Amino acid sequence: KAGVTQTPRYLIKTRGQQVTLSCSPISGHRSVSWYQQTPGQGLQFLFEYFSETQRNKGNFPGRFSGRQFSNSRSEMNVSTLELGDSALYLCASSLRHYLNTEAFFGQGTRLTVV
Amino acid sequence: DQQVKQNSPSLSVQEGRISILNCDYTNSMFDYFLWYKKYPAEGPTFLISISSIKDKNEDGRFTVFLNKSAKHLSLHIVPSQPGDSAVYFCAASLTNTGNQFYFGTGTSLTVIP
Repeated sequence: KAGVTQTPRYLIKTRGQQVTLSCSPISGHRSVSWYQQTPGQGLQFLFEYFSETQRNKGNFPGRFSGRQFSNSRSEMNVSTLELGDSALYLCASSLRHYLNTEAFFGQGTRLTVV
Repeated sequence: DQQVKQNSPSLSVQEGRISILNCDYTNSMFDYFLWYKKYPAEGPTFLISISSIKDKNEDGRFTVFLNKSAKHLSLHIVPSQPGDSAVYFCAASLTNTGNQFYFGTGTSLTVIP
């Protein structure tokens, strides 16, 4: 069974630009969550999508957005990039939305904003 | 506000000995806890989880203990192996609020051969 696939693996963008990251969850998983990891901050929850609907949202500005398609694939978009957006962005897929269930992570997209 | 804390940034242990990684949380409503392991340039890998109705869960060399009154959980690795060297994250969530996990900042474990 293929794992969670994130593309691209690395990105370099200029301040003010926008970026779109992609995530393909494990087959059969309908929940996709996004996290930002920066040095010393651990993983910070961005949002969760389930059945094409955003179910939860973390404490991030509106520049961060996402969507989920009918095949459960998800994209996240960051507009008007700032230097502080440089981070590892991780996508995680889960089988269910409710009830205790573990999340399986992709390898991440390393975004560098210059 | 960091609701899940791992106060030890790093830990070194001899091969074959026990590794104990600790995690504290502040939200008493958390009822599901997980541990993840992360190697450089890879995403976190799920290790083990525990529901708040239990105080212990075991899976091979990995055991997680939960002390709800102290709002504390720990991961025991016995025996420790050099391949266990990685960053370990604890995470917590609330049932029925979806898959929003609150992560600690991680503990870097080094197992010395």
